[in-house]
Amino acid sequence: DADVTQTPRNRITKTGKRIMLECSQTKGHDRMYWYRQDPGLGLRLIYYSFDVKDINKGEISDGYSVSRQAQAKFSLSLESAIPNQTALYFCATSDLQPGAHNEQFFGPGTRLTVL
Amino acid sequence: GNSVTQMEGPVTLSEEAFLTINCTYTATGYPSLFWYVQYPGEGLQLLLKATKADDKGSNKGFEATYRKETTSFHLEKGSVQVSDSAVYFCALSTYNTDKLIFGTGTRLQVFP
Repeated sequence: DADVTQTPRNRITKTGKRIMLECSQTKGHDRMYWYRQDPGLGLRLIYYSFDVKDINKGEISDGYSVSRQAQAKFSLSLESAIPNQTALYFCATSDLQPGAHNEQFFGPGTRLTVL
Repeated sequence: GNSVTQMEGPVTLSEEAFLTINCTYTATGYPSLFWYVQYPGEGLQLLLKATKADDKGSNKGFEATYRKETTSFHLEKGSVQVSDSAVYFCALSTYNTDKLIFGTGTRLQVFP
């Protein structure tokens, strides 16, 4: 079984709709991240969380919100989707322990298309 | 601020050719350096890493050496295979940021 799972894997929606992308992990890591991937731009950090009570904005948080429901679950919401949020979204986790050097483990991604 | 610069792709090679993908970085403090690989339709996987100067990371025939004097972490492989076709990302993290900073990625295409 995969250590980091994302649902759905693909989603097509319309402008103005509310969308939730979910991420679950079985690695026991405290830290979780949401990234967005666009062609030619690499990965850009949307939000990250170091534990259930800690949520931080990344470089492109506008238009997004997150919820850390438990150590193992971290959801990303688009309150009112717009076409330029069409992208590939990745969840990742990392270990808090010293020596982990912030190595991150990625889910398989969710391809979101906003029409 | 911290940043990573990678050579633009795509890099197109014939099977068994030598591969170099350049990566340079700017960082405050002492970064850890990573190469991630993304195969078609998949998420990113860690390929190799180096956590201090002069360390060499290696995996699956790929190597990269952490060069502090040139602030570089170039990825090399002596003989590529068609199955190495993927997008490769260089990344860094520093102790005081707790985040990964990615380059824009380099697409490698290997033809038989």
